[in-house]
Amino acid sequence: DIVMTQSPDSLAVSLGERATINCKSSQSVLYSSNDKNYLAWYQQKPGQPPKLLIYWASTRESGVPDRFSGSGSGTDFTLTISSLQAEDVAVYYCQQYYSNTYTFGQGTKLEIK
Amino acid sequence: QVQLVQSGAEVKKPGASVKVSCKAPGYTFTNYYLHWVRQAPGQGLEWMGIINPSGGSRTYAQKFHGRVTMTSDTSTSTVYMELSSLRSADTAVYYCARGSGYIPATRYYFDYWGQGTLVTVSS
Repeated sequence: DIVMTQSPDSLAVSLGERATINCKSSQSVLYSSNDKNYLAWYQQKPGQPPKLLIYWASTRESGVPDRFSGSGSGTDFTLTISSLQAEDVAVYYCQQYYSNTYTFGQGTKLEIK
Repeated sequence: QVQLVQSGAEVKKPGASVKVSCKAPGYTFTNYYLHWVRQAPGQGLEWMGIINPSGGSRTYAQKFHGRVTMTSDTSTSTVYMELSSLRSADTAVYYCARGSGYIPATRYYFDYWGQGTLVTVSS
């Protein structure tokens, strides 16, 4: 299975500041035939199911605020929140869908400093 | 609009089985795969398997082979996940989630999730 490793495990950022979460895969999730990275980001708030934020590593899901952005390729990816809002407090997960045994990172808990 | 509506919480004894349902109104049920993902208390997300709602293929994570069965009822647009030989480590919230690509494309992200079903295993 492809192992997804996120860093840090937790993060405290001041309101209005930038938050950056990293995700590393144990093998490349870039499919050369279509040049797409099979990597998604989800946000999960307490007591709620995960919510899709980003797919194909950098495509924002409809309705997701543009302060959320995804970048990276191959094995190294980043989720950036450009200006943290109070409602962004959540756990964030990356997921690879390159292989048919889909795997998630362990999660990064984002809090307000 | 797309919804995934799951059955209610369950309490089971060790060794028993549980069957969780996921009803999918609001879109063409047979066009998209459905996945099952679980989350133990305070833990991360764990993929369990995928089913073609047309009643065809299904693939289970190796960890659950022999204990999990996923089925589908196209007449009610519902998929089911049954987990047997329950142990305390199976206490978790179980989610169904839709794969966003049209069948037969399996390698897609999950665009809609059910509300989750808490399964508690306790003697």
